[in-house]
Amino acid sequence: GQQLNQSPQSMFIQEGEDVSMNCTSSSIFNTWLWYKQEPGEGPVLLIALYKAGELTSNGRLTAQFGITRKDSFLNISASIPSDVGIYFCAGPHDSGTYKYIFGTGTRLKVLA
Amino acid sequence: KAGVTQTPRYLIKTRGQQVTLSCSPISGHRSVSWYQQTPGQGLQFLFEYFSETQRNKGNFPGRFSGRQFSNSRSEMNVSTLELGDSALYLCASSLFPQEAGELFFGEGSRLTVL
Repeated sequence: GQQLNQSPQSMFIQEGEDVSMNCTSSSIFNTWLWYKQEPGEGPVLLIALYKAGELTSNGRLTAQFGITRKDSFLNISASIPSDVGIYFCAGPHDSGTYKYIFGTGTRLKVLA
Repeated sequence: KAGVTQTPRYLIKTRGQQVTLSCSPISGHRSVSWYQQTPGQGLQFLFEYFSETQRNKGNFPGRFSGRQFSNSRSEMNVSTLELGDSALYLCASSLFPQEAGELFFGEGSRLTVL
């Protein structure tokens, strides 16, 4: 199925470091969402963005809706061990069968 | 309010058997979507139900089916299980159809086919 491209695919960082990841698409999205999935669990919604250029924070997480509407960014400041997981971007996108597209995921590991 | 509840959390089946998974959405949510997640394939869309009607179906064989009840609870069934069906099956609910915005996921049902 269709997917959004996320980078990097994986990251190994030291506790306390800041993290940046992005999500890109060849087509326009009107909504961007970021989810986090911990091992053996379902994805949990972190941040939702509804307007181009919007910058939204949720604690140490900050996400931005790209001006072109074809990308979005997620930053995590001062990472901690519990930030470990897979981060997915996603968005509603009416493209025939697929009404909701997920990114390929960024796997984050934090070294204490 | 209670989140999305999926049962069972874990199950083991053998090839050729069938399995039924259940999903209770957040109260008031009318859309239920099902996804298959495997390590190499990410989140693969199975189908979406809204108000007891299947709206969309992903590219899965006919062995995968689902339904939604009047109380919005949903079940999915996989018949004639194959080894490749081993995966985490995730259910997500939303107030409106998928394309309207946010999905809320359950913890998943992990199926192992031996």
